[in-house]
Amino acid sequence: GQQLNQSPQSMFIQEGEDVSMNCTSSSIFNTWLWYKQDPGEGPVLLIALYKAGELTSNGRLTAQFGITRKDSFLNISASIPSDVGIYFCAGQGYGGSQGNLIFGKGTKLSVKP
Amino acid sequence: NAGVTQTPKFQVLKTGQSMTLQCAQDMNHNSMYWYRQDPGMGLRLIYYSASEGTTDKGEVPNGYNVSRLNKREFSLRLESAAPSQTSVYFCASNAHRDSSVYGYTFGSGTRLTVV
Repeated sequence: GQQLNQSPQSMFIQEGEDVSMNCTSSSIFNTWLWYKQDPGEGPVLLIALYKAGELTSNGRLTAQFGITRKDSFLNISASIPSDVGIYFCAGQGYGGSQGNLIFGKGTKLSVKP
Repeated sequence: NAGVTQTPKFQVLKTGQSMTLQCAQDMNHNSMYWYRQDPGMGLRLIYYSASEGTTDKGEVPNGYNVSRLNKREFSLRLESAAPSQTSVYFCASNAHRDSSVYGYTFGSGTRLTVV
């Protein structure tokens, strides 16, 4: 079945630094979503991307839908302690999985004050 | 506006015991999902219900059963719990059959330990 490769698995950064993470797929996706999971909570939708090449921002977060439709990137600028958590990419491909989302394994972000 | 509510939040079971995880949403969503989250494995789909009255297997359905009781409620049952089912379980819902249109809304999870 379709799989997403999300990297890096974990990041330890200093407060104020910028963060980049990405997801790649072996097949084409028509939608990319980025979620954040705070410790002890469920994932919450951050950004949704619907068109190849689309670049969308949500505050300090910026995500892009890759031109090839097989990848997506999430950047966080000027990180702060509350950015700590696990970030998941999710995608919906054509045909397979009956319309259900496929999730990456997550990037765990730790921020040192 | 409660969104997706899961009960219980924590549970410890002995091997072989049974239990039902409850999930309810108040957003009038059509589709509902059960995921499990294990370290390093991300979110894996157990079962889903595209609409009231239908249920389908996901990636890891073995050892579980589900019931879509009505449009609001979707329960997950472990008939005979095993240590391999120790995990965090998330329920999610979506307004539209096409998952990409709105994305999922998740509950806060049930942390299950089987000893």
